[in-house]
Amino acid sequence: EPEVTQTPSHQVTQMGQEVILRCVPISNHLYFYWYRQILGQKVEFLVSFYNNEISEKSEIFDDQFSVERPDGSNFTLKIRSTKLEDSAMYFCASSELGEGFFGQGTRLTVV
Amino acid sequence: GEDVEQSLFLSVREGDSSVINCTYTDSSSTYLYWYKQEPGAGLQLLTYIFSNMDMKQDQRLTVLLNKKDKHLSLRIADTQTGDSAIYFCAEISAGGYQKVTFGTGTKLQVIP
Repeated sequence: EPEVTQTPSHQVTQMGQEVILRCVPISNHLYFYWYRQILGQKVEFLVSFYNNEISEKSEIFDDQFSVERPDGSNFTLKIRSTKLEDSAMYFCASSELGEGFFGQGTRLTVV
Repeated sequence: GEDVEQSLFLSVREGDSSVINCTYTDSSSTYLYWYKQEPGAGLQLLTYIFSNMDMKQDQRLTVLLNKKDKHLSLRIADTQTGDSAIYFCAEISAGGYQKVTFGTGTKLQVIP
């Protein structure tokens, strides 16, 4: 069964460093998303991406964040100058007809 | 904006049925989903229902949608200890396949 894969599963970074979270969406999907879940809290939308551009973003997705689809398979989330409060589980998702399939997540720990 | 609410906790005995409820505010919701999240794991899509449907059954899972009251429920028949997890209700609005709005999650505890 096709699935969304994310790497790494766990990333530890020092405050102020840049991180890139990687995702490989399901191959025939057209819509891509990033979400985050701070420990014990609800899953929050960050950004959606369609046709090689951002289609919607939340207030969380400020200038610190960027997304890119550098080739036909990968979808990345870059967080510049990480802060302690960026520590969370980051989920990538993709969809074709509305049903969102999520990856297993990358747990980002900022120390 | 869209809002999705759920009760925080549900405890049931193994073998009983579980019913997890969800209310939402967006009347233009097109798809409504149930996701399962086990401790430390990702989000597993369990099932979804189109907004023009009232009910969907998939093995032990039954989804009921009352669009008038904006109420969604997930019934798990013969609940097993492996069903212990957090269950998220979520919806997506009309106007394109954009963001999914998640509920707060219901933690289901199954007592052996």
